[in-house]
Amino acid sequence: QVQLVESGGGVVQPGTSLRLSCAASGFRFSSYAMHWVRQAPGQGLEWVAIIWYDGSYESYADSVKGRFTVSRDNSKNTLYVQMNSLRAEDTAVYYCARGIYGDYGRYFDLWGRGTLVSVSS
Amino acid sequence: EIVLTQSPGTMSLSPGEGATLSCRASQSVTSDYLAWYQQKPGQVPRLLMYGASRRATGVPDRFSGSGSGTEFTLTITRLEPEDFAVYYCQQYDPSPPTWTFGQGTKVESK
Repeated sequence: QVQLVESGGGVVQPGTSLRLSCAASGFRFSSYAMHWVRQAPGQGLEWVAIIWYDGSYESYADSVKGRFTVSRDNSKNTLYVQMNSLRAEDTAVYYCARGIYGDYGRYFDLWGRGTLVSVSS
Repeated sequence: EIVLTQSPGTMSLSPGEGATLSCRASQSVTSDYLAWYQQKPGQVPRLLMYGASRRATGVPDRFSGSGSGTEFTLTITRLEPEDFAVYYCQQYDPSPPTWTFGQGTKVESK
């Protein structure tokens, strides 16, 4: 079954760190770029980060640059994001998403169910 | 940075009616790399359209996309009960590689 399953969310205090994981199954994980996308409660979607299929390149949204680091372990079919110096505005459901680099666009064709991160004192 | 503005914010329609959703970009979208997603309450976003006008696998043909440059449209003919949801457009900017979403249009049942 083709799926992405996130884990690692929780309630943390401002200034602390958290690492999220995303386990992929049912497809060749090492062939795809992978993304993190987040959604604050009651709000829209915000792209967070991408990592190339082989981990050779990363790019981040300005809102998380310097605080978040995306990584992957293709031997374990797992995507990670290390989130440091967390702020209240980082509170959101974090989705991992499979990225498509095709002739007709750069988009997300598979999404996990998400994991909730709540940053609160 | 390209900003996507969706309109209207909310549409109140009845099943069987048609819906036209707009997505306007602040600059021309690279190669019309515009995608649309549907998100129902409590659910995960689902890819509907890519390349502005291409339907994703399994998407009914009552959904269609059009547009180019800075103006894009998602059209839903004959709304079904399962179509009431929030719809997001998304574009890709290659310099540097970043992805942005519109703020969403909610299609609600009247």
